[in-house]
Amino acid sequence: GAVVSQHPSWVICKSGTSVKIECRSLDFQATTMFWYRQFPKQSLMLMATSNEGSKATYEQGVEKDKFLINHASLTLSTLTVTSAHPEDSSFYICSARDLGDSSYEQYFGPGTRLTVT
Amino acid sequence: AQRVTQPEKLLSVFKGAPVELKCNYSYSGSPELFWYVQYSRQRLQLLLRHISRESIKGFTADLNKGETSFHLKKPFAQEEDSAMYYCALSVEGSNYKLTFGKGTLLTVNP
Repeated sequence: GAVVSQHPSWVICKSGTSVKIECRSLDFQATTMFWYRQFPKQSLMLMATSNEGSKATYEQGVEKDKFLINHASLTLSTLTVTSAHPEDSSFYICSARDLGDSSYEQYFGPGTRLTVT
Repeated sequence: AQRVTQPEKLLSVFKGAPVELKCNYSYSGSPELFWYVQYSRQRLQLLLRHISRESIKGFTADLNKGETSFHLKKPFAQEEDSAMYYCALSVEGSNYKLTFGKGTLLTVNP
C-alpha cells in the first residue's frame, strides 16, 4: 500500500513553454503533498507544500508564479513549470502524507526528469 | 530553523564489516527523526523512524538527544545495502515538512 505515482517520468520541452507534472496517491487520500527538487548527486530541496483545497505554501526563494501548484482532490496534486528555462532542468519529486496516518511519514513518488532545451 | 547534517558524503566498507552513517540535527525541541534510503534507480523510501524503535534490514538508529544525533548502524553490511541514505527530521507545527540532510552514499564492497 501507500503508493505515489508521478506522470510523466521524464519530459523534454523547449525554453519558454510550460510543463505540467502530476502526482497521485494511488491507494490512500492525501490532504498534504510536497514537491521537491533534486539536483544531480545532491539532496532533496523542498519547494512547496501542497494543501488540498487551499493555496500551496512555498519555501523561501521559490517563485510561486513560476512553479504553479494545484491540489484539487485528495489524490492529485500538479506542478506546472511555467515559461521553463534550461536552469529549471532538474529531477522533481513529490511525496504525500496519508490522511489517516498520524505520523510524519511521507510516501515518495518515483520522480520526473525535466530537461529544458 | 532546524538543520540536519550528514558529515560523510561517501562511505565505503567491505561486506560483513560494521557500518555507521552519522546524522546530527539542530533543533531546540523534540523532532521526529527518519532515515530514508534510495537504491539505484528507485524512489526514496522510508527505512526507519525513531519513534518506532524497530530494526529494518538489520539497521538500527537511536536518538541521542544529548548529542542531537541519530546515527544509523548495522553490524554486518551486505552488498545490497549499497545505496544513498538520507537522514531527515520533522517538527511539530511545520505542517509535516521534512528537512533532509545532504545524504551519504554507502558502498559495500565484496
